[in-house]
Amino acid sequence: DIQMTQSPSSLSASVGDRVTITCRASQRISSNLNWYQHKPGKAPKLLIYDASSLQSGVPSRFSGSGSGTDFTLSISNLQPEDFATYYCQQSSRTPHTFGQGTKLEIK
Amino acid sequence: EVHLVESGGTLVQPGRSLRLACAASGFTFDNYGFHWVRQAPGKGLEWVSGISWNSGKIAYADSVKGRFTMSRDNARKSVYLHMTSLSAEDTALYYCAKDRAQWLAIIAHWGQGTLVTVSS
Repeated sequence: DIQMTQSPSSLSASVGDRVTITCRASQRISSNLNWYQHKPGKAPKLLIYDASSLQSGVPSRFSGSGSGTDFTLSISNLQPEDFATYYCQQSSRTPHTFGQGTKLEIK
Repeated sequence: EVHLVESGGTLVQPGRSLRLACAASGFTFDNYGFHWVRQAPGKGLEWVSGISWNSGKIAYADSVKGRFTMSRDNARKSVYLHMTSLSAEDTALYYCAKDRAQWLAIIAHWGQGTLVTVSS
């Protein structure tokens, strides 16, 4: 199975900051990498698919990059509603594993 | 608007079986693959199973392989997860999720989840 490792596991930032979350795959997965935002009590939300494509309706302050084994999610100009847990997920091969999550908290 | 409504979650004893259902509406059901994703208390998201648009491809996480069976009924616009030999490790909120296409494993829409608690 492909293991997905996110870093950091948690992150503190302020409104207006720019943050970057990293996801590393244990095998090459081309650009088959997706990012989700998850808030407590809510359903997860797709942000980025195929490493860098912005899902419809998602603000442009979210961006993704990478290919092969190393990927990043960047959020610029953090807004209060962005504080949540973020997950990467590989869609290259089954099982379609998720990273362990990165909790983004308000500083 | 896409709607996914899960049902069937409940308190169940270890070793017993349970079937989850997901009713879909707001889109052409037959054209899309589906997945089940779970979140155990205090843990992250875990992909559990997926099924393609025509049931030609079905896959499972290693943790449930041989115990869980995913299926779909296009006439009823529903997907199912039949779970057997349940253990405490299966306790989780189970999300039904719709693929972006027939099977890309890009999860564009999620239900609100149904809670399964395995305990004696």
